[in-house]
Amino acid sequence: AQKVTQAQTEISVVEKEDVTLDCVYETRDTTYYLFWYKQPPSGELVFLIRRNSFDEQNEISGRYSWNFQKSTSSFNFTITASQVVDSAVYFCALTPEGGGNKLTFGTGTQLKVEL
Amino acid sequence: GAVVSQHPSRVICKSGTSVKIECRSLDFQATTMFWYRQFPKKSLMLMATSNEGSKATYEQGVEKDKFLINHASLTLSTLTVTSAHPEDSSFYICSARDVRILNTEAFFGQGTRLTVV
Repeated sequence: AQKVTQAQTEISVVEKEDVTLDCVYETRDTTYYLFWYKQPPSGELVFLIRRNSFDEQNEISGRYSWNFQKSTSSFNFTITASQVVDSAVYFCALTPEGGGNKLTFGTGTQLKVEL
Repeated sequence: GAVVSQHPSRVICKSGTSVKIECRSLDFQATTMFWYRQFPKKSLMLMATSNEGSKATYEQGVEKDKFLINHASLTLSTLTVTSAHPEDSSFYICSARDVRILNTEAFFGQGTRLTVV
């Protein structure tokens, strides 16, 4: 069975602060994929990143960065210099290789960025 | 990236009626589509896997007769909520996989907010 835990239910920060969203996962599969999605108030899911379990390199994309630590089963997401537009619910998700993108989602973290 | 279109985006229906939600892959073929449900301020839970040309696979606890899924073509899957009741009010969202690309990210539709009154 797979499980994704996002322990932070809600985070509030002031604009320009850095914020890290935690994601811890459980799986018995040796090959799997991890994802982060952003869900703004409108409801659609915006794809942010997909990471293969064999690729532990950290990734940076603009103000976004991801830290994948296989040893601790964590895939944390950091937003640098947060902006009000970053306010949304962020979901971490997991699928086994060959799972056809049948995703197991975490419970999400509500991020509020205030002026 | 690939585009998945979901329609309608919002629907309000009377209790006891049925509602059909469409999920289309616009620029790719999808032999498999997934239907998720999201209660307010909750996570997304997989309801069923829709397979083109065959029966859908439902997750444990999801009523097959309540949530009818049809995947008649490589670009369209439909979810029909039959005899809807207020407790069926939720956000339903589909995702589709491009069969040509292995292990690609899941492309999601815009979601449908269903309110049963």
